[in-house]
Amino acid sequence: SQQGEEDPQALSIQEGENATMNCSYKTSINNLQWYRQNSGRGLVHLILIRSNEREKHSGRLRVTLDTSKKSSSLLITASRAADTASYFCATDGDTGFQKLVFGTGTRLLVSP
Amino acid sequence: ETGVTQTPRHLVMGMTNKKSLKCEQHLGHNAMYWYKQSAKKPLELMFVYSLEERVENNSVPSRFSPECPNSSHLFLHLHTLQPEDSALYLCASSQRLGQDLSYEQYFGPGTRLTVT
Repeated sequence: SQQGEEDPQALSIQEGENATMNCSYKTSINNLQWYRQNSGRGLVHLILIRSNEREKHSGRLRVTLDTSKKSSSLLITASRAADTASYFCATDGDTGFQKLVFGTGTRLLVSP
Repeated sequence: ETGVTQTPRHLVMGMTNKKSLKCEQHLGHNAMYWYKQSAKKPLELMFVYSLEERVENNSVPSRFSPECPNSSHLFLHLHTLQPEDSALYLCASSQRLGQDLSYEQYFGPGTRLTVT
């Protein structure tokens, strides 16, 4: 079963604005991760938040986790054109070996 | 992206061809993965190798055959593919701790495969 589902599917903003993406998942987790993918390239790990953490920061990124609602959000502040990419959440799945299961992603377009 | 490299970056093959994708990781990790990424679909995990042993095969058709000769190299051998196999194939690596494969993964740039 698919774990993470991102919302919205697509987001278009102007440079300098903040971008918020949400992720919902279905089962209990040990950690949740966010990745970025530039068009046609590999994914790049952004941040990992553990199930006992509620908020984490990394530069212009802020991630929150609400395990009671089984949801997470990724906030990118003061966005730049270079932030244009797809963003995926990934959770350790509900099957053996605690593998990562990725969602379908949010496509972010930041216009100059 | 220099941590995980993939070759070739682009591949066009006919349905009767045999080709191989190569992945190499320079991070000292002990687990490697093949993923398939098709348009508008979640990333699909195909195979997982941990300590050079295949630990996961997600019902992948036999026309895809993985090989992991050592902890740094991973291959995906392709034969008699179908047009629906056209996709971006991504390799990744991570450090496995016990049974836990859920830590951050490092991805290669991918191979864009087109089957004609």
